[in-house]
This record gives sequence, structure tokens and C-alpha cells, in this order.
Amino acid sequence: SQELEQSPQSLIVQEGKNLTINCTSSKTLYGLYWYKQKYGEGLIFLMMLQKGGEEKSHEKITAKLDEKKQQSSLHITASQPSHAGIYLCGAPRGANAGGTSYGKLTFGQGTILTVHP
Amino acid sequence: DAGVIQSPRHEVTEMGQEVTLRCKPISGHNSLFWYRQTMMRGLELLIYFNNNVPIDDSGMPEDRFSAKMPNASFSTLKIQPSEPRDSAVYFCASSFGSPQAGNTIYFGEGSWLTVV
Repeated sequence: SQELEQSPQSLIVQEGKNLTINCTSSKTLYGLYWYKQKYGEGLIFLMMLQKGGEEKSHEKITAKLDEKKQQSSLHITASQPSHAGIYLCGAPRGANAGGTSYGKLTFGQGTILTVHP
Repeated sequence: DAGVIQSPRHEVTEMGQEVTLRCKPISGHNSLFWYRQTMMRGLELLIYFNNNVPIDDSGMPEDRFSAKMPNASFSTLKIQPSEPRDSAVYFCASSFGSPQAGNTIYFGEGSWLTVV
């Protein structure tokens, strides 16, 4: 099973509507990254949260990490067609080698957002 | 500043052929990641390097896959022999430091591989 579960899997909204995407972890998060991907392109970094209760905003997108650090939400206000794409959450997972902590990101399965003009 | 550069962007090859994907990370970054994305399995980490040394290759599907990082500015992912089920988008990504420490991982545009 996925370590990170995203919901919904897909979302279709009318331009101007607000929407929320959720990302839930089965383990305590050491941080949570949000990326956006357009078809045929790479992942674009949106924002990163590390502290419980933290909230960050960029333009019309707001991301929050809950106090328990097991769930994050991404909220888009007054959606536009330019917001369409796949949104992925990613969480650091570490490995220790010789006492040094390295890290990798594991991702949820993604949420496909369609915004109709 | 140039981002992560991958080549080729698209490749169509016949089953059994060798495929080599290339990646140039962002200058100064010391971690490099190879991911594979498919509809069925989403985005999976294949392998990652730190200071040119492979740290975790547990995601590499099988012996047909190999990855190298001969220096800080170049990495390859090789599939030999290729099979239709290897068809996917392969992403290379890089970062300076660990994501656990809050460092951002930047992705390339991906290499779209089709094996027929």
C-alpha cells in the first residue's frame, strides 16, 4: 500500500471555484513537499512544510501541515485553467550510512485537476 | 541558471535493445535521483546518489537496470535488454543536501521511453 495517500484521485471544477487536495501519511512526516506536473513536463516545486501546524501560501495556493504531522492539504482559491495539472505530495524518507542522514522523497499517486473555463 | 537536463526527451526502441538515459544535475548539487513514472505505479524512486556514491538502489527493478554517476555533473541510467514493460517516463532530479533537512529536489523534464 502507498505510504502517502492522496484524495481525491481526480477533480473537475469550474473556473473560479475553490478546491482542496489532501495528502495523508501512515507515518509521522519529517516534512511534506508539494509539486505540480503538467502533461509532458517535469515536476515543478510548489512549497515545502516542515513544522506541525505550518501554513504557506503562494499566489492563490495555500498548503497546510496538521499539528500531528500526518496530513497535509493544498487549497486553491478561485481556480483558473492555468492551475490544471497533476498535484503530487512527497515525503522525505531517510537512510543512514556511516552516521549521516541522507534522504529521498516518496510520492503519493497524484491528483489530476481539470479546470473548465 | 540551467535546471536538471535530461536526454533524450523521447525514445522509441525495439524490445531487446539497450537504452541509455542521461542526466546533468544542477551545478553544485550533491544528490541525484532517478525516478520512473507510470500510470499504474505512479512515481517510483529507482536509485539515488550522494556525492556520486549510490546510497539506495532498492527501487531498481532488476539486473537489467543499472545506473552510474562517474562525476558530479553526469549520470546515466541504462536498461539492457529493454522490454515493453519498461515503457515509462524516467525523471532525473537533483538537490543540494537532504530533503529531510528541508532541501528542495528539482526535477528534469523527463525522458519518455517507449519499448515496442
